[in-house]
This record gives sequence, structure tokens and C-alpha cells, in this order.
Amino acid sequence: GIQVEQSPPDLILQEGANSTLRCNFSDSVNNLQWFHQNPWGQLINLFYIPSGTKQNGRLSATTVATERYSLLYISSSQTTDSGVYFCALNTGFQKLVFGTGTRLLVSP
Amino acid sequence: GAVVSQHPSRVICKSGTSVKIECRSLDFQATTMFWYRQFPKQSLMLMATSNEGSKATYEQGVEKDKFLINHASLTLSTLTVTSAHPEDSSFYICSARDDDSYGYTFGSGTRLTVV
Repeated sequence: GIQVEQSPPDLILQEGANSTLRCNFSDSVNNLQWFHQNPWGQLINLFYIPSGTKQNGRLSATTVATERYSLLYISSSQTTDSGVYFCALNTGFQKLVFGTGTRLLVSP
Repeated sequence: GAVVSQHPSRVICKSGTSVKIECRSLDFQATTMFWYRQFPKQSLMLMATSNEGSKATYEQGVEKDKFLINHASLTLSTLTVTSAHPEDSSFYICSARDDDSYGYTFGSGTRLTVV
């Protein structure tokens, strides 16, 4: 099946810093989404981005489907950005396959 | 926006008993729902795809007799962990796929502890 790797696995930032999270995948995909899992386990959908670039406030994402990767940018990070970030892919068979995740800790 | 209600949020049960977890789409219909399991500091692993009115499709390595899935309506899927053992302790998350928008919405998860 499709392989989804995220990097870095762990990231510690000072409040106000910027960061880039990467998602590499092994096959062509129909859909790609980025999620934030908060400390209570709730998954929040950040972007639906099978290709191109989108921005929402301090967050933006870019997917280059032909090169099989996606990037999530976090600017001016805040402590509330802490948690785990997942990319998840839809291979055309409906189910979403989740990446390995990036655990982010933003310290004050 | 789309909301999925998952209950209970936390449950502790004795080894050998069964536990039922409900996943309900509140404002949309979902012919297809998904059940995931997440161990501490790991990613979400798909357990099964639940289809309204038909049998669930289980991922390789998931025991269908242990994890019973029922999807009797377009808004409700249930996961029953039968004869639970301590190794079944985990965080279980459901997801519902909107029949109209094809968007995926996740429940808030159920933390199961088997003692």
C-alpha cells in the first residue's frame, strides 16, 4: 500500500518562530489533507490540498503532486499550535491513510 | 459545519467484557464511516471501513470477530470491542464521509482502558 512519511518527527520551537513540515508519499493520490491533533486527541482539519497552494491565516500549505510531497508552513507560531500534525491521503478507495506525524511543541 | 459525535469519550472496563462505541453524524448523511485506532505517540491506523447496510471491510490483521461493526443507518455506526483484553487499550477514533460533499469529519475519540 501507499507509504506516507512525515518529517521532522519532533519539533520544538520558541513562540514566534516559523516552521515547515513535510509529507512525502509513495504513490499518486486523489486527495491530501492536513490535520492538527490537539492534546485531547481531537483532529482538526486544516487543509484539503491535493495540489497547489492554500493559505489560512498563519498557516499555509503547498502540494506538488507530481513530485509526491506536501509542505505545511506555520508562521509566527503560538503555544496553541502545539500538538501533532498529520497529513492524510486518499488513494481513490475512499479511506484516508495517515502519515507518521510531526509532534510540535511551542514554548513561551 | 459538519459534526460527528462519538461516545463515550472515555471508558474503563474489566478484562473479558465488551464495550460499544458509537459514532454519529449529526448534520449530514454518511453511507461510509471509518474506524481508526491510535496507540500512544503513534499515528492513526485504519481498522475498518463501515458501509451502511452492508458488511464492514476490515484491514489486514484486524480481527473482525473481535471488533464488531454495525452501520444500520446513514448517521450511525457502532464499534463493539468483544471480550476486551488489556492489549485492546487504545484511543479509537471514527470518521464519517459526507455523502454530498465527500468531506471527512472526525469524532473526538474514545479512550478505552481495559483492566
